Amino acid sequence: AQSVTQLGSHVSVSEGALVLLRCNYSSSVPPYLFWYVQYPNQGLQLLLKYTTGATLVKGINGFEAEFKKSETSFHLTKPSAHMSDAAEYFCAVSGLSDYKLSFGAGTTVTVRA
Amino acid sequence: ETGVTQTPRHLVMGMTNKKSLKCEQHLGHNAMYWYKQSAKKPLELMFVYNFKEQTENNSVPSRFSPECPNSSHLFLHLHTLQPEDSALYLCASSQELREKTYEQYFGPGTRLTVT
Repeated sequence: AQSVTQLGSHVSVSEGALVLLRCNYSSSVPPYLFWYVQYPNQGLQLLLKYTTGATLVKGINGFEAEFKKSETSFHLTKPSAHMSDAAEYFCAVSGLSDYKLSFGAGTTVTVRA
Repeated sequence: ETGVTQTPRHLVMGMTNKKSLKCEQHLGHNAMYWYKQSAKKPLELMFVYNFKEQTENNSVPSRFSPECPNSSHLFLHLHTLQPEDSALYLCASSQELREKTYEQYFGPGTRLTVT
C-alpha cells in the first residue's frame, strides 16, 4: 500500500520568492510519483511525474521535483513565484503495476504581491 | 472539445431527487475514474472502469450508481443522497490499466450540493 503526506496545508510566498512544497511518501514497492495543481473551480492538472530514470524531474510552468529514495521524498520547487501560481497542489503516489493513485491532502499556495 | 469534460458543472438537488453526472473524454483512453473531493480531505477514489468493465468499487454506497457505456463516456447516477454527499465530483481518464501506471487526466468537476 502507498500513502502520501504533504507537510503544510498552506504556504504563503512573496512574488519572486522560492516556492517549496514538501511531499513524503510510503510505498512497499518502487513508487511512481506525481504532482498535480488545481486552480479554483477547475479539475486537477498534471505538473510533472517521476517513473524511472533521472531523479530530477522538470514539469510545466517552471516547476521541478526531485525524487530522493533515501528520504522517501518528492518535494516540488519553483525558483521564482508568480501570482498565477496561486492554487492547490497535490502530491500523489502509485506503485508499479498499481493504477490507483493515493493523493495527499493538498497544499494551498498563496502569492503575495 | 478537448481533454475531459463534465456536465453539469454545478448541481443542486434535494435528498429525494434522481440526477446523473456525465463525463466524456476525448483523449482516446480506455480507463475512466470517479473521485469525490470534499473540503479538507484527500481525494477519494470511488469507481474505476477499464475497457467499460468496472474494476474497482471503493466501498461506495449504493445511492451512487456508475455506468460506462463505452470507453469515452462515464456516468454517475445519483438517488436519495445525503447532505454529506455534497462535494466536488471529479472524473478522470488514463490509458488502459496494464502492467504500468499511466498518469490520469482530470475533468473540471461537478460541484454537487445536496439540500
